[in-house]
Amino acid sequence: EAAVTQSPRNKVAVTGGKVTLSCNQTNNHNNMYWYRQDTGHGLRLIHYSYGAGSTEKGDIPDGYKASRPSQENFSLILELATPSQTSVYFCASGDTQNSGNTLYFGEGSRLIVV
Amino acid sequence: QQKVQQSPESLIVPEGGMASLNCTSSDRNVDYFWWYRQHSGKSPKMLMSIFSNGEKEEGRFTVHLNKASLHTSLHIRDSQPSDSALYLCAASVSSNTNKVVFGTGTRLQVLP
Repeated sequence: EAAVTQSPRNKVAVTGGKVTLSCNQTNNHNNMYWYRQDTGHGLRLIHYSYGAGSTEKGDIPDGYKASRPSQENFSLILELATPSQTSVYFCASGDTQNSGNTLYFGEGSRLIVV
Repeated sequence: QQKVQQSPESLIVPEGGMASLNCTSSDRNVDYFWWYRQHSGKSPKMLMSIFSNGEKEEGRFTVHLNKASLHTSLHIRDSQPSDSALYLCAASVSSNTNKVVFGTGTRLQVLP
């Protein structure tokens, strides 16, 4: 089965600090995604990428940056973390050509900003 | 901004009963729908996909799609307590199949 690994799995950050969430996939998928999940909001798309070197804004990109340095890795960066960014973050990979863009998710990263 | 709306927000069915979940897209260009299931404390996993008008059945799960009304539904027959989970509908449009947007989900509880 497809493998997506996130780190860290849990993080407590201070307001104003910098946070980097990392994601690695071994599926050789072109597409990678970052979502956040809060109660009552389902999954909301922050940034996504359709290949190394590309990043696209999702529906809620404000306060977040993304980086896709290689096919395997996709990072989400919070330059100045705020308490409103406390959430569970999911990374996913998918490929429109080989799997109809079925998404495979990592286990999630729980971020608390105090 | 493409929106995916799901109903009901929550649903309780008895073991052995039928659960019906609904999903509608606000974007007339939507072409692809998926249903994902997320058990408590776990990550979402794809349950079924449907890209063409009509019906698709896999075991106890049946999904319908009506592209004219931008509506898809998931039906679970003979519901089991292990089906208790958050069900998420996802969609993408033909002009940008790389962007996948999710709804807020339906929380299903199956009572023994």
